[in-house]
Order: sequence, then structure tokens, then C-alpha cells
Amino acid sequence: SQQGEEDPQALSIQEGENATMNCSYKTSINNLQWYRQNSGRGLVHLILIRSNEREKHSGRLRVTLDTSKKSSSLLITASRAADTASYFCATARRGNQGGKLIFGQGTELSVKP
Amino acid sequence: DAGVIQSPRHEVTEMGQEVTLRCKPISGHNSLFWYRQTMMRGLELLIYFNNNVPIDDSGMPEDRFSAKMPNASFSTLKIQPSEPRDSAVYFCASSPDSVDNEQFFGPGTRLTVL
Repeated sequence: SQQGEEDPQALSIQEGENATMNCSYKTSINNLQWYRQNSGRGLVHLILIRSNEREKHSGRLRVTLDTSKKSSSLLITASRAADTASYFCATARRGNQGGKLIFGQGTELSVKP
Repeated sequence: DAGVIQSPRHEVTEMGQEVTLRCKPISGHNSLFWYRQTMMRGLELLIYFNNNVPIDDSGMPEDRFSAKMPNASFSTLKIQPSEPRDSAVYFCASSPDSVDNEQFFGPGTRLTVL
């Protein structure tokens, strides 16, 4: 069954604005990861947050994790047209073997110049 | 490192034909994953290997699909016979043997079955 679910499914903003995407999951996790996919390309890892962390930053990215609500958010500040892509959350369950991740359906972000 | 390498990048075939997709993971990575992505179903995990051993193939849609990993540097995903509903982008990803299990994706193979 789907572990991660993102919302919104699609988001359209102007360049310079902030973009916030949310992810909910169902079971206990070791970590939660965010990936980006440009059209026609493979997914690229952006940032990872462990279950004992609440917030993490990387450049213009800020990720939060609330394990009590089983949810995470990805904030992209000062967005650029080049940020246009699909963004996926993925969870690594506690006790999983071999590094299996469960991916959500993704949020399609469009940043208009 | 060249990253995860997949071939072919595009494949067009006719229904009933055998299709073989290939993947070379990043050297030193212990886990390898095959995914399928479609608009309708999103990104689905088909099968994954750890140290060349299949761990979970519960995502393989049916017996027409099979995957092998004969050594640490090569894996194949075979569809025989192919059907139009198999049309999708197939991704291979690899991951080092670490607690964080970040995955590195290949560019994908776009399969069209006519």
C-alpha cells in the first residue's frame, strides 16, 4: 500500500515565491527522503531527515518532520523557474531490509518566470 | 563515477516480443532496485536485490516479468511476452549499504509496446 502521500498534487507559483509541499505516511520510519524529478529524467535525491530530527536545511530547502503526525513538509524558498519539477517523498520503514523505500505519488511544481 | 547506467534509453517493440532492459549500478553499491513509472500508477517498485540476491519481488506484476542479477555490476529486467499495458518508463536505482539508504537513479528506459 502507498506509504507516502503528497499534497498538493500540483502547485503553480511565481518565481521568487516560496513553495511548500507536504507528505504523510502510515508506519514507523527510519528516515524520510525527498527526491526531485525533472521531466523525462530519473529521480535525484535532495535531502534526508532521520526520525529523531525535526528540521533540516540544505541551501534553499527546508524539511520538517513530525513523527507524531506522521507528516513532513518540504519548503523551497525564493523559487526559480529551474525548480519546476516533480517532487517525491520516500520513507524507509523501521526494520526494512536492503534499503527499500516507499515513494509517494509526487507533487508537480510549476514555477512561472 | 558515471552513475547508474541503463540501456537501452528507448525501446519500441510489438506486442508479444521479448524485451530485455539492462542496468549497471554504481560500483560498490549493494542494493539494486527496479521501478516502473506511469501516469496512472505513479512510481512502483517491481523488485529489489541486496548483494545480488532478490529480496522482495512482490511488485512484479505477473509471470511475464523476470529479473536477474548475475553479479554486482549487472542486472536485467525481462518481459516475455510484452503487452501494450507494459508501456512505461522503467528505472533502475542503486544504493550503498548504509543506514540512510539514499537511492541513485538511472536515466530510465522508455518502453513502448505497440
